[in-house]
Amino acid sequence: DVKVTQSSRYLVKRTGEKVFLECVQDMDHENMFWYRQDPGLGLRLIYFSYDVKMKEKGDIPEGYSVSREKKERFSLILESASTNQTSMYLCASRGHEDYGYTFGSGTRLTVV
Amino acid sequence: GQSLEQPSEVTAVEGAIVQINCTYQTSGFYGLSWYQQHDGGAPTFLSYNALDGLEETGRFSSFLSRSDSYGYLLLQELQMKDSASYFCAVRGGGGKLIFGQGTELSVKP
Repeated sequence: DVKVTQSSRYLVKRTGEKVFLECVQDMDHENMFWYRQDPGLGLRLIYFSYDVKMKEKGDIPEGYSVSREKKERFSLILESASTNQTSMYLCASRGHEDYGYTFGSGTRLTVV
Repeated sequence: GQSLEQPSEVTAVEGAIVQINCTYQTSGFYGLSWYQQHDGGAPTFLSYNALDGLEETGRFSSFLSRSDSYGYLLLQELQMKDSASYFCAVRGGGGKLIFGQGTELSVKP
């Protein structure tokens, strides 16, 4: 089974801090994604990547950046955390031939 | 723009059948997916429809009508463990998967 691992389950950061959320997948998937999930808003796509060093903006990229230096790792960066970035962050991956995405367990980030 | 609409919540009793509808409006369409998410858990992939018609996987079935921009997830022989949120998602242009807001299904004894 594909495993997508997010480094932290819960995180509390201060306003203005630079925050790194890490995601690693173990099945050599080309495609990786970062979503945030908020009550009543569903899952919204922040950034995605088709391959190493490639990145594409999703629907809500403002305030975020990403890094994909290795195929298995996709990092989400909050350059200067703000309280409105308090959310559940979900990482997912998909192989080229797959229909479904495999999600990690999520990181619940609180910015105070 | 892109949007998906699904009911916010549905309640049904154990053993019953429930249908969760999804209508979508997207630029580019490559298929409709369904995901299940239990409280505090990761979304898990249930089904994918690229062509019109019904796809059956055990107690769950998913339907798509591309001409109507409409699909549904059908859950049969409901069990308590089916209580969860269900999301429809459209794979559009650029390979992006866009999700609906989710339907919270409550199964009562």
